[in-house]
Amino acid sequence: SSELTQDPAVSVALGQTVRITCQGDSLRSYLATWFQQKPGQAPVVVIYGKNNRPSGIPDRFSGSTSGNTASLTITGAQAEDEADYYCNSRDSSGNHLLFGGGTKLTVL
Amino acid sequence: QVQLQQWGAGLLKPSETLSLTCAVYGGSFSGYYWSWIRQPPGKGLEWIGEINHRGGTNNNPSLKSRVTISVDTSNNQFSLKLSSVTAADTAVYYCARGLEKETFHYQYYYMDVWGKGTTVTVSS
Repeated sequence: SSELTQDPAVSVALGQTVRITCQGDSLRSYLATWFQQKPGQAPVVVIYGKNNRPSGIPDRFSGSTSGNTASLTITGAQAEDEADYYCNSRDSSGNHLLFGGGTKLTVL
Repeated sequence: QVQLQQWGAGLLKPSETLSLTCAVYGGSFSGYYWSWIRQPPGKGLEWIGEINHRGGTNNNPSLKSRVTISVDTSNNQFSLKLSSVTAADTAVYYCARGLEKETFHYQYYYMDVWGKGTTVTVSS
């Protein structure tokens, strides 16, 4: 398969935990990267590899993978976490890159 | 700290060729993949293609033969040309640095540094 599938929209109450998922056959071969994108800004990596966070990303962001599904978990969501989130990986051939369709996270 | 600075024409007519360049400052050019990604208004991210420092390229099959990505290692720059543009090519175009890691148990790829984006509009 050459697709990564995400739910279009997810909401979470302030301070609660939310999981954003990404499904695709390529995730059995390559771990996903998760990007956060706010309006008018370039995407920013929040999780890469086996649950690695770049410097400056709060530890409430975490990642995991099971089978063909990658998950981004935000534990104790904050208002500033409201954004679009995209997953990304190589495809199964290793020659191309895939993006999920994106998940719009609303913090209530 | 590595920075990517990108530039190029922002307004094109249908059938023209889009041309963008991305310069790499503050870091090595070798050992990385250098990608172009675009985002149409109100839509998601789409990978266009990539090049490594040796000039090896991979492109999105959906864009077929319209894409040319080249590298100028002497100036730490890489470029995108997209031919025969239409209104569907209207988007914010980003350049990004990619890194691939492989261990015994898993492998992953991530793009850790991005340009600020260039808005390209195709209109007659």
